[in-house]
Amino acid sequence: NAGVTQTPKFRILKIGQSMTLQCAQDMNHNYMYWYRQDPGMGLKLIYYSVGAGITDKGEVPNGYNVSRSTTEDFPLRLELAAPSQTSVYFCASSTSTITDTQYFGPGTRLTVL
Amino acid sequence: GQQVMQIPQYQHVQEGEDFTTYCNSSTTLSNIQWYKQRPGGHPVFLIQLVKSGEVKKQKRLTFQFGEAKKNSSLHITATQTTDVGTYFCAGWYSGNTPLVFGKGTRLSVIA
Repeated sequence: NAGVTQTPKFRILKIGQSMTLQCAQDMNHNYMYWYRQDPGMGLKLIYYSVGAGITDKGEVPNGYNVSRSTTEDFPLRLELAAPSQTSVYFCASSTSTITDTQYFGPGTRLTVL
Repeated sequence: GQQVMQIPQYQHVQEGEDFTTYCNSSTTLSNIQWYKQRPGGHPVFLIQLVKSGEVKKQKRLTFQFGEAKKNSSLHITATQTTDVGTYFCAGWYSGNTPLVFGKGTRLSVIA
């Protein structure tokens, strides 16, 4: 199993550009999450999904969109990138309940200039 | 919303010294998890505590869940350079709400 994979690893965007961060898991996990981690800071939940077709907002959803058309994939869309979105983005998944261990991907480091 | 407070934010220790990080919640937690993030890496699950007063050990790491299930601690005995990283606690309250992560404690170990 590859676990949770994220692409790209690094990306530089200009202000106003858009992009999609990809996340995939091959563990057949129902729950998936997107977090952002600013330098030296903790994890902030952006969006999460409890299954295909179901998504919900986390603590900091503004400026982002998600979709979950399959169990495996949970892409995060940034529209009109802003410098405040410079961060490391982690995708995570957990098994059958929302209290289960979360498995994190390696992260995408995004810089908006 | 629910918050899990974690202290200290940073801790610098000499190799061989002990280290403790604490998590506190104003309301009762159903369970608490601990994660470790190495510098430049991603968070990795360490352990989950569920029962009131529970104590679990992993080699030099001791995890405790308070009797009232509102606080938890991670204690590392005789730190090593391999312990360097940020330690996060994450609490679950109830229902279908996600885990709430603390801000983490960054541990530096001076050889």
